[in-house]
Amino acid sequence: GAVVSQHPSWVICKSGTSVKIECRSLDFQATTMFWYRQFPKQSLMLMATSNEGSKATYEQGVEKDKFLINHASLTLSTLTVTSAHPEDSSFYICSARTSRTYEQYFGPGTRLTVT
Amino acid sequence: KNEVEQSPQNLTAQEGEFITINCSYSVGISALHWLQQHPGGGIVSLFMLSSGKKKHGRLIATINIQEKHSSLHITASHPRDSAVYICAATVPSGSARQLTFGSGTQLTVLP
Repeated sequence: GAVVSQHPSWVICKSGTSVKIECRSLDFQATTMFWYRQFPKQSLMLMATSNEGSKATYEQGVEKDKFLINHASLTLSTLTVTSAHPEDSSFYICSARTSRTYEQYFGPGTRLTVT
Repeated sequence: KNEVEQSPQNLTAQEGEFITINCSYSVGISALHWLQQHPGGGIVSLFMLSSGKKKHGRLIATINIQEKHSSLHITASHPRDSAVYICAATVPSGSARQLTFGSGTQLTVLP
C-alpha cells in the first residue's frame, strides 16, 4: 500500500525559533498534500492544501506567514512553523493523494512541543 | 450542525463482542472513509467506499447513499482494536476534494 512518512516524529523547540516538518510520499506521486493539526482529544483540523508546484491554499484562520508550506516535488511537502510559540504545540499530520483517486494516505504525524 | 456526525463518542466493549460505529453525513459526498488512530497518533486508512460494503479481516464497512449513513463493524473484538475510529467524507470542493471529519469514536475493548 501507499506509504507516507513524516520527519521528525517529534520535536521540541524553543519559543521564537522555526521548525520544519517534512512529509514524503515514498512509493507514489502525490499531486496534492494536506496538512492537519490536531489538539488532544479533538479531531483533525485542516490547515492547508498544497498542490505540487503551486502555492498552498490555507484554511480560514491559519496564518500563511506563520505556517509556511512548500510542495516543491511530487514526493515532498514541507511545513515550517516560524517564530514558534507555546500555543503552536500540537500534533501535525500530513496526508497525500494522487490525482486519480479520492484515497488519502496519512503520515504518522509529528508532535511539536514549543517551550 | 456538523456535516459529518459520528456515534457513539465513546464505546467500551468486552473482548469478543460485535461492535458498530455509526456515521451520518448531511452533504453530497464523493467517498466515505473510515480511519483508525492509535494512542501514538498515527492514522491508518481502513476503508474508502462510495457504495455497498467492504470487508477486511474482522472489519466491515457499509454505506447507504440514499440514507447518507455508514457503519463500521468489528467482529470478535480484541483489546488491540482499542483506538479512535474516525469517519471522514470526501466533499467535492473545487479541485481539492478535501476530507470533512467526524469527531471520532473512542473504542476501548477490555480483555
